[in-house]
Amino acid sequence: QQQVKQSPQSLIVQKGGISIINCAYENTAFDYFPWYQQFPGKGPALLIAIRPDVSEKKEGRFTISFNKSAKQFSLHIMDSQPGDSATYFCAASMQSAGNKLTFGGGTRVLVKP
Amino acid sequence: DAGVIQSPRHEVTEMGQEVTLRCKPISGHDYLFWYRQTMMRGLELLIYFNNNVPIDDSGMPEDRFSAKMPNASFSTLKIQPSEPRDSAVYFCASSSTSTTYGYTFGSGTRLTVV
Repeated sequence: QQQVKQSPQSLIVQKGGISIINCAYENTAFDYFPWYQQFPGKGPALLIAIRPDVSEKKEGRFTISFNKSAKQFSLHIMDSQPGDSATYFCAASMQSAGNKLTFGGGTRVLVKP
Repeated sequence: DAGVIQSPRHEVTEMGQEVTLRCKPISGHDYLFWYRQTMMRGLELLIYFNNNVPIDDSGMPEDRFSAKMPNASFSTLKIQPSEPRDSAVYFCASSSTSTTYGYTFGSGTRLTVV
């Protein structure tokens, strides 16, 4: 059972544009929603995270929007740069399950110069 | 801090051979996770430990897979016997309950079984 669904699978955006990745979850017990960034040959790295009591969190050019009632959250990359080209994963976890992360399927983002 | 250290980075082995992957978590982290990444199935959690004790191994594909954590600074994932379908990138990650929930991943071991 896929508990976190991510879309799109791939995304091409021009430099300076906005990249938007969406995720939907099923388990209302999830209480932590991080995004990870992965470059080829590297492990995923934590990019930004949000808790369900907050509707939006911004760190630099990266923003998470969270809609608890719809059980959806999204990552916006503003002013996308070629260096942002990577695979992005959304994830969800719950403290009661030992912070075990369930990952979405990933989105491969390509930023064209 | 050297981060999560995995070895080897690459492993090529013949079908039927035993493979052992190694992981050194970040000092002070009390959770350790083993993930497998493939194009078809994405990132799959295989097993995780808390304070060196296995908590959930429901993701381990079959009895050919085993994992141990003999102490807080070392863990192994063993596949015996290995099969071509085990080819994947295996990641180890660690985290701490005393800080945020974020994981720190190692750079992974790319396993190829021929």
